[in-house]
Amino acid sequence: DADVTQTPRNRITKTGKRIMLECSQTKGHDRMYWYRQDPGLGLRLIYYSFDVKDINKGEISDGYSVSRQAQAKFSLSLESAIPNQTALYFCATSDADRGPGELFFGEGSRLTVL
Amino acid sequence: AQSVTQPDIHITVSEGASLELRCNYSYGATPYLFWYVQSPGQGLQLLLKYFSGDTLVQGIKGFEAEFKRSQSSFNLRKPSVHWSDAAEYFCAVAAMEYGNKLVFGAGTILRVKS
Repeated sequence: DADVTQTPRNRITKTGKRIMLECSQTKGHDRMYWYRQDPGLGLRLIYYSFDVKDINKGEISDGYSVSRQAQAKFSLSLESAIPNQTALYFCATSDADRGPGELFFGEGSRLTVL
Repeated sequence: AQSVTQPDIHITVSEGASLELRCNYSYGATPYLFWYVQSPGQGLQLLLKYFSGDTLVQGIKGFEAEFKRSQSSFNLRKPSVHWSDAAEYFCAVAAMEYGNKLVFGAGTILRVKS
């Protein structure tokens, strides 16, 4: 089983619908992240959490919200999806003791908003 | 603000040929530097990282990268490319003055021809 699991892997939805992407991890890491990948733009940070009580905005948090339900679970919500939120979304984790930047990624959730 | 530039969107090399992928960054101090690889349909995997010390770092899968402070570069190299190296490669940077958040370049897609 994957260490970082994202569900769903693929989702097609309509403008205005509420969508939740879920992430769970078995690595025991405290830090979790949500990134968005668009062609030609690389990955951009949406939200991150350093522990269950800690939530921080990344560079592109508008239109998104997150919930850290437990150390192992970090979900991303789009309250009212719009077409320019069509993208590949990645959840990642890191261990604070290993220094910055060493992230472990899930396989991604491809979201299409019509 | 921190930024990472990967000048080449696509690169095609023949199997067995050498490879160099370019990465330049803009920061005031020496940042933490990373290369990640994304195989088709997969999440990102860390290839190598540079924090300090020897400016030539070795990574997994036979890759290496060299940090050149004078050029603000961290180029990725491999002496002999295999067909399985076809993937997208991302350079990434983190810096203490920006809370050690990872910033990614736009990526370089590597094609390997037989």
